[in-house]
Amino acid sequence: AQSVAQPEDQVNVAEGNPLTVKCTYSVSGNPYLFWYVQYPNRGLQFLLKYITGDNLVKGSYGFEAEFNKSQTSFHLKKPSALVSDSALYFCAVSTSSGGSYIPTFGRGTSLIVHP
Amino acid sequence: DGGITQSPKYLFRKEGQNVTLSCEQNLNHDAMYWYRQDPGQGLRLIYYSQIVNDFQKGDIAEGYSVSREKKESFPLTVTSAQKNPTAFYLCASSISMGGFYEQYFGPGTRLTVT
Repeated sequence: AQSVAQPEDQVNVAEGNPLTVKCTYSVSGNPYLFWYVQYPNRGLQFLLKYITGDNLVKGSYGFEAEFNKSQTSFHLKKPSALVSDSALYFCAVSTSSGGSYIPTFGRGTSLIVHP
Repeated sequence: DGGITQSPKYLFRKEGQNVTLSCEQNLNHDAMYWYRQDPGQGLRLIYYSQIVNDFQKGDIAEGYSVSREKKESFPLTVTSAQKNPTAFYLCASSISMGGFYEQYFGPGTRLTVT
């Protein structure tokens, strides 16, 4: 079975400071990793994904994530947070072998950026 | 303008009534999904469909039913057998089910059953 852990329910950061939202995963086979963002009462929006290749993945709105195979992590980062980044962030994992094609989502991390 | 639409945005029903949530996509995607979102629980998969006229149960299918008669449409019926139907329901689609395709989500339907 595959699983995702987002160890922090909430992350608080001041505007202009770097932010990190953590994600660790467990999967048999090669992982496909995703980050999505959800604003209140809206659907999820895709931010970025890791499939293969370069461990540092760049995505929408200045976000990036680093795939670390040895630590089975895929943390989301941004060098300088904006108040408008405040939202709920979901990490997801899937695979093409030894697991499920369908992504398994974490419980989500609420990011709050303070002015 | 391509995307996924869900209607209605808010839905109120009395206990014991069946209710159908609409999901339509014009992205030409083969795969479609229904998720339920409850506070602090993330997304839980209800049903998914890889192709027209085919669908599979997800992790929490009891009390729900779906159909996939057209590529564009994947309606979800919440039946009276669903014990706790009040939730936020999200429909999603992806190009296919290869595992590495990202999902596109609709805006969601918030169902309240009293």
